[in-house]
Amino acid sequence: KQEVTQIPAALSVPEGENLVLNCSFTDSAIYNLQWFRQDPGKGLTSLLLIQSSQREQTSGRLNASLDKSSGRSTLYIAASQPGDSATYLCAVRLTGGGNKLTFGTGTQLKVEL
Amino acid sequence: DVKVTQSSRYLVKRTGEKVFLECVQDMDHENMFWYRQDPGLGLRLIYFSYDVKMKEKGDIPEGYSVSREKKERFSLILESASTNQTSMYLCASSSLRRGLGDGYTFGSGTRLTVV
Repeated sequence: KQEVTQIPAALSVPEGENLVLNCSFTDSAIYNLQWFRQDPGKGLTSLLLIQSSQREQTSGRLNASLDKSSGRSTLYIAASQPGDSATYLCAVRLTGGGNKLTFGTGTQLKVEL
Repeated sequence: DVKVTQSSRYLVKRTGEKVFLECVQDMDHENMFWYRQDPGLGLRLIYFSYDVKMKEKGDIPEGYSVSREKKERFSLILESASTNQTSMYLCASSSLRRGLGDGYTFGSGTRLTVV
């Protein structure tokens, strides 16, 4: 059974810092990996989608990498802003997994002024 | 912009009521999903559907049923609401076809309180 873990569970940083969020998964036979953002009381917003054949994806200040062999993905946020404060979730879809996602436990990020 | 729309942001229902949560997507996606999210438990899959009139149980289907009569609409039904079904409910859709962007798109969620 696929297990997805995110470290740290919570993170507080001053504005302007570059930061890295980590996601690890136990089964490397993945189809793709997706990073989401969730604001309190809201739904999930997709940030980046990495296919199994890709090593990284970039969108603005966000960069996500994927290393299937080691079972890891990282989300890099450059020049963090208070508006980046949210919970970040990674989710993995397995090859042959019927399009179901397995979600990580999330990292709650707070960017302080 | 593609969207998944959940009909209600907040609902308050009484124990024993039959509750319908509606979800509509405008992306012609084949797959639709219902999750619930609870503090400390994360997102848990209730039911999903790969096609019209087709449904599959997820990890926690007890106390729920679903309906998918049209491709764009996926309904979650609480047959007899109970207080332990108080939760945030999230609907999502995705496509099986590469090139359309086969990630998940989520709705904004429905916060259900059963009293």
